[in-house]
Amino acid sequence: DQQVKQNSPSLSVQEGRISILNCDYTNSMFDYFLWYKKYPAEGPTFLISISSIKDKNEDGRFTVFLNKSAKHLSLHIVPSQPGDSAVYFCAVEGGSQGNLIFGKGTKLSVKP
Amino acid sequence: ETGVTQTPRHLVMGMTNKKSLKCEQHLGHNAMYWYKQSAKKPLELMFVYNFKEQTENNSVPSRFSPECPNSSHLFLHLHTLQPEDSALYLCASRANEKLFFGSGTQLSVL
Repeated sequence: DQQVKQNSPSLSVQEGRISILNCDYTNSMFDYFLWYKKYPAEGPTFLISISSIKDKNEDGRFTVFLNKSAKHLSLHIVPSQPGDSAVYFCAVEGGSQGNLIFGKGTKLSVKP
Repeated sequence: ETGVTQTPRHLVMGMTNKKSLKCEQHLGHNAMYWYKQSAKKPLELMFVYNFKEQTENNSVPSRFSPECPNSSHLFLHLHTLQPEDSALYLCASRANEKLFFGSGTQLSVL
């Protein structure tokens, strides 16, 4: 069974609006969460992270929210730009030896 | 540019071929990883090396054989693969909690 779930395979948003990508996890012991962004023909690149001692972390247009009681993580991008169109992977540090466990990804399309 | 270079970028091989994927990093990291990305599936961890020693084999079939001669280089030797092994193979190195990925090798097994 998947330990990290991204239930929306795709999301389409108008340029300038907010994009909200969601992620759910199963184990309340997970304590470090990351978002990666992947363009076609490139490897994933680190975007933003959050520790379980926080409920929000902001970096420019990107904000990650953590709801520990709901075991839910979300990434907000505002305002969305066409260059943000990519696949976004949620990951948790929770595998053996602290290895990262990834979700299936959500493909974001930002339309001009 | 993440500092992790993978070659080749694309590979087509038959089921009886033997080929190798190469990964190189000059970030000074001591942990290197192989991941597999299949369509509509999460990134799957395959192997982990720390200081050239394999510390994790995630139940990967023996037709995939990793090699880590030093902390900067990682190989994945392939032989008698199956069509279902067609996927994007990603190498990564790690610093603290963050992984730095290469661009991957898109493998097609015919």
